[in-house]
Amino acid sequence: DAGITQSPRHKVTETGTPVTLRCHQTENHRYMYWYRQDPGHGLRLIHYSYGVKDTDKGEVSDGYSVSRSKTEDFLLTLESATSSQTSVYFCAIKRERAGAFFGQGTRLTVV
Amino acid sequence: AQSVTQLDSHVSVSEGTPVLLRCNYSSSYSPSLFWYVQHPNKGLQLLLKYTSAATLVKGINGFEAEFKKSETSFHLTKPSAHMSDAAEYFCVVSGQMDSSYKLIFGSGTRLLVRP
Repeated sequence: DAGITQSPRHKVTETGTPVTLRCHQTENHRYMYWYRQDPGHGLRLIHYSYGVKDTDKGEVSDGYSVSRSKTEDFLLTLESATSSQTSVYFCAIKRERAGAFFGQGTRLTVV
Repeated sequence: AQSVTQLDSHVSVSEGTPVLLRCNYSSSYSPSLFWYVQHPNKGLQLLLKYTSAATLVKGINGFEAEFKKSETSFHLTKPSAHMSDAAEYFCVVSGQMDSSYKLIFGSGTRLLVRP
């Protein structure tokens, strides 16, 4: 979707290194989300934000932190990457009455 | 608490035959329900949504779903499958009274379409 972009799209990193994924929106929406997608699990919510500096945990938040210093950017940080965090990460924004719209995803491999 | 169960992990149909993907939900609040589709190595696209208006919801590409409160179901159907429908489909629930608007995903149903 043109209103939401994720960067990088692909990343390979080593175990124990910090990693930051960026989600950028151009539509000024209040709610933003980070999900991870793994085979057999669908998408699971990591963290979400309901405004600048307002964030909360999802169902799989351990090992992740987030920050939202301005409306358009929502950052996901893996403080010390582990192999279990190898996944595809999706950012989403919530449009009023229209459900959530997702970025194209970031494929992260931790070796 | 909210949850969603997709009853089939894989569904295989022949091209031109009907499609039925089953979804049951649980929600403490009056739910919003969605179906998303994901083609291989692609992002997620919203197919349709239910937000307490008409119980029969029409979406893109000929898909529709019916909200049945008594059965807590929101099954996705299409009268005639096309090869391009082959993808993974996710049923999603969100509570309207839950101000976080968290989306809870089912584990997905992979639709295979045989020529």
